[in-house]
Amino acid sequence: GQSLEQPSEVTAVEGAIVQINCTYQTSGFYGLSWYQQHDGGAPTFLSYNGLDGLEETGRFSSFLSRSDSYGYLLLQELQMKDSASYFCAVRVNQGGKLIFGQGTELSVKP
Amino acid sequence: DTAVSQTPKYLVTQMGNDKSIKCEQNLGHDTMYWYKQDSKKFLKIMFSYNNKELIINETVPNRFSPKSPDKAHLNLHINSLELGDSAVYFCASSHRTGGEETQYFGPGTRLLVL
Repeated sequence: GQSLEQPSEVTAVEGAIVQINCTYQTSGFYGLSWYQQHDGGAPTFLSYNGLDGLEETGRFSSFLSRSDSYGYLLLQELQMKDSASYFCAVRVNQGGKLIFGQGTELSVKP
Repeated sequence: DTAVSQTPKYLVTQMGNDKSIKCEQNLGHDTMYWYKQDSKKFLKIMFSYNNKELIINETVPNRFSPKSPDKAHLNLHINSLELGDSAVYFCASSHRTGGEETQYFGPGTRLLVL
């Protein structure tokens, strides 16, 4: 089967750093993506890792270890607007098929 | 200048009815998708089309029939609606840059079956 595991919820305070982990077990692996979804909104792309290592985009970074079937999203200098659900997603074939994790609800408190 | 648009945004209907959701993208992408997001926010792919050709067809009841009249449009028709079909349906499109494939999602269609 195909499965992705991520924590269901995380709480942090403004200005802090938070890490959302994702472990996966899939048949086929082309890369790990992260999407953000605000309540009532659509998922929006944040980051992609096709190779091992760290990718940095502003306050957000994403890491991948293919040998460990593990990745994480790191959010720095948290802001209230970062309160949202964060999904990891594995691209399992060249056709672009994404398998999504169940999402991590991040609450940022003042 | 909307990238991926869907209509309608909300759809409330009775069990047994037939309904359609339309999706259009103006990004010039070749690949389009339909996803279903349930009440627990689980996002699952249903179908994918590349240049009007069906390339992904997950285990979806055959009451769901996608149609792609051209590569900018992907519609979803649902026959004999059931209570369990209540969900948010997202259309998405993608292009590939090197190894990366970014998917752009529409605003979603909130379907409620009564």
